[in-house]
Parts: sequence; C-alpha cells; structure tokens
Amino acid sequence: GESVGLHLPTLSVQEGDNSIINCAYSNSASDYFIWYKQESGKGPQFIIDIRSNMDKRQGQRVTVLLNKTVKHLSLQIAATQPGDSAVYFCAENELGDDKIIFGKGTRLHILP
Amino acid sequence: GAGVSQSPSNKVTEKGKDVELRCDPISGHTALYWYRQRLGQGLEFLIYFQGNSAPDKSGLPSDRFSAERTGESVSTLTIQRTQQEDSAVYLCASSLYRVGQPQHFGDGTRLSIL
Repeated sequence: GESVGLHLPTLSVQEGDNSIINCAYSNSASDYFIWYKQESGKGPQFIIDIRSNMDKRQGQRVTVLLNKTVKHLSLQIAATQPGDSAVYFCAENELGDDKIIFGKGTRLHILP
Repeated sequence: GAGVSQSPSNKVTEKGKDVELRCDPISGHTALYWYRQRLGQGLEFLIYFQGNSAPDKSGLPSDRFSAERTGESVSTLTIQRTQQEDSAVYLCASSLYRVGQPQHFGDGTRLSIL
C-alpha cells in the first residue's frame, strides 16, 4: 500500500548548524504535506505545510522543500537550537481522502 | 482551554477490561481525528468525524474499537475487552475544516494493558 517513510531514524546536529530532515513518499496522488514536531510526552505540533502546487515554503527558521518528480520532501531548520530536539514526522494527504498518513519519524538530537 | 484536551492522560487497566478515552476538541473545529501511536512508531489513523456526516471508521483495527462524537463537541473512543496489544498512546486531533488544514493535537492518553 501507499506509505510515507523517512530515510534516517536519528539525526545528530551541532547546535547552531542547519538541520535537514528528509522524507520520501510513494503516493503520487498526494497533494498536501505537513511536518510535525513531537516532543517527549506531548502530541505532535504543526510546524509547516505545503501543497503540491508549490515546491518551497518558508516559515520562521524552517523551510519545506517539495520535489514531486522524485516524491521527496525535506524540512530544513536553520541555526538549530536545543529546543529543536524532538521527533519530526512528515505526513501526507491525497485530495478527497480524509486520512493523513504519517511516517515513522526522525529523532533530531542536538549536540552541544 | 485553547487547545485539544484529552483525558485521562494515563490509564492502566487489566486485560479484558473496557476503557473509555475522552477528547475535547478546540471550539469551532468541525473535524476530529483519533490516532494510535505505538512506542517509537508513527501515527496510525483510527477514525475521523466531520460535522454531522457519517464518520470514517476505516482505520479501526477491530470491532472492539468504537468512537462517538456528539455534534461538533466531545468525542469518546471506547476499547472493549482490552488486549495487551492495545497498549499505546491514543492521540486526538481537531481542525477547522476537512483535510488541507493543519491538525491540532492533544497530548494523548497513554494506555497500558497489564
């Protein structure tokens, strides 16, 4: 079946460096993508989203890039801070489908 | 409160017992979702409510699982005759419209079946 997955389960980044978290999706009909951040013991928190008619969207310190040709999504976090330590999930949705499919997540570990 | 509220935050029960989990969505949010998250895993869709439409129950793993929602307010997820495999965090989310709008999650109910 269709699925959303992540390349790396754990990513360690030096504080102050940029982080790049990658996500591959397999449903070519997906047209809405979301990144969530989940801290320990809490529910996922919306970070940024992007629709398939865009290839880049920027937020505060975060940028999402979408490459529909290779079905790849990435989240870039600028100047990574200790508070960015969390598990990051990408999720995708197909227009007309009520379900949002989540990947397994990438744990971002910030090195001092 | 301003966010999605779930109760209880933790629930420990014996195998075979029934449990009821509650979700209070953000006021005005017409869409409500339940997910299950096993340890170290992603989120598994369970059920979706949108306004007064029939819910999408396609993610419920067995007939031991059921959910209700009264109008656009509180929802309850019920698990009957719990099994150890039901141990997980159960997350609720709400959003303003259908998909295409970000979901707002509660902090979940951690369910442990002994």
